[in-house]
Amino acid sequence: AQKITQTQPGMFVQEKEAVTLDCTYDTSDPSYGLFWYKQPSSGEMIFLIYQGSYDQQNATEGRYSLNFQKARKSANLVISASQLGDSAMYFCAMGRNTGFQKLVFGTGTRLLVSP
Amino acid sequence: DTEVTQTPKHLVMGMTNKKSLKCEQHMGHRAMYWYKQKAKKPPELMFVYSYEKLSINESVPSRFSPECPNSSLLNLHLHALQPEDSALYLCASSQEVGQGKYNEQFFGPGTRLTVL
Repeated sequence: AQKITQTQPGMFVQEKEAVTLDCTYDTSDPSYGLFWYKQPSSGEMIFLIYQGSYDQQNATEGRYSLNFQKARKSANLVISASQLGDSAMYFCAMGRNTGFQKLVFGTGTRLLVSP
Repeated sequence: DTEVTQTPKHLVMGMTNKKSLKCEQHMGHRAMYWYKQKAKKPPELMFVYSYEKLSINESVPSRFSPECPNSSLLNLHLHALQPEDSALYLCASSQEVGQGKYNEQFFGPGTRLTVL
């Protein structure tokens, strides 16, 4: 069975600073994908970044990067130059590399960006 | 068009009512999903449709009945719900044959359901 653990219920960061949101996972599948989603208070889940288990390099998407350490089974999200609009709930999720997804989500981390 | 729409945005219903939630996407995705999200919890998968056929039912009670009339539409029929079914119901879609980041699920804004 797949499992995602997010140990930080809440994080605070000042505007323009970088912040790291932790995610560890457990799976016996050799092939998997790791996803990060942002959920503002409006409720919509917004896809941020993806890392495949076979990817050699860490994924980056604009201000988002994923610190993927396969041996440690961790996939931490790094947000650089935080903005007030980054305040939201962040979920780490695991699924397959191909085809339709049965995503397993972590419990989430609430990020608050202060001016 | 990279949008998943859901109607209604809010729904209040009694335990004896029958109602339906609607989800629509026009991205050509052939996989569609229903999730239930309770307050301060992560989304929990309920159903997955792949090529308009039910592929996954996560042991959801029969008072929730999904329907996929065509490749763009997904409905969730509700009947005899309980107050504990009050939650945010999220619909999502994704490519069926995509790989890697192209497997991302696009989520709709959700329907906030309250059962009295």
